[in-house]
Amino acid sequence: QKEVEQNSGPLSVPEGAIASLNCTYSDRVSQSFFWYRQYSGKSPELIMSIYSNGDKEDGRFTAQLNKASQYVSLLIRDSQPSDSATYLCAVKTGRRALTFGSGTRLQVQP
Amino acid sequence: SAVISQKPSRDICQRGTSLTIQCQVDSQVTMMFWYRQQPGQSLTLIATANQGSEATYESGFVIDKFPISRPNLTFSTLTVSNMSPEDSSIYLCSVGTMNTEAFFGQGTRLTVV
Repeated sequence: QKEVEQNSGPLSVPEGAIASLNCTYSDRVSQSFFWYRQYSGKSPELIMSIYSNGDKEDGRFTAQLNKASQYVSLLIRDSQPSDSATYLCAVKTGRRALTFGSGTRLQVQP
Repeated sequence: SAVISQKPSRDICQRGTSLTIQCQVDSQVTMMFWYRQQPGQSLTLIATANQGSEATYESGFVIDKFPISRPNLTFSTLTVSNMSPEDSSIYLCSVGTMNTEAFFGQGTRLTVV
């Protein structure tokens, strides 16, 4: 079982719609969770972090965490073509470096 | 967030040679990491660069192949030794603290021919 799992996609949504990206993790003691956006040929860029159960909103982005279900999600409201990228879920456990999922490719259709 | 400068940004190398990648941070940071991202794949941690001591390597990565230096809290190097085409990847330096997110340099795109 992979430590951090994501659907590889592509996830295709029309412009203006809500994009929902999901991630599950295997280690129950993981304490910090992050979403990165990676454009093709670029390095990952942090867009959201979440540390406690519930929702965290930042502009058009909402991260959701459910530690009991070991589940993290990212919602992107009013999706724009510029949101088209690969979204990486990352999990931090203890002193270890981040563990990344394989990423979900999002395509926002104009 | 820290500003991370990584160089070279890209290189094409002959098999059997070595390439050293540099990572410079504009402030002292606790943790520095080196990741590899193979084409179409996610990030895989190579090692944690420890200041003043040997790096901590992940399973599947060894010091002879990927020697790492970290002489101080703002600088680290990763060498890819005796390269083969399978080493063609993007190599990424990242920095962070014990409990928080990681930030990435712009990456080094390596092609081995």
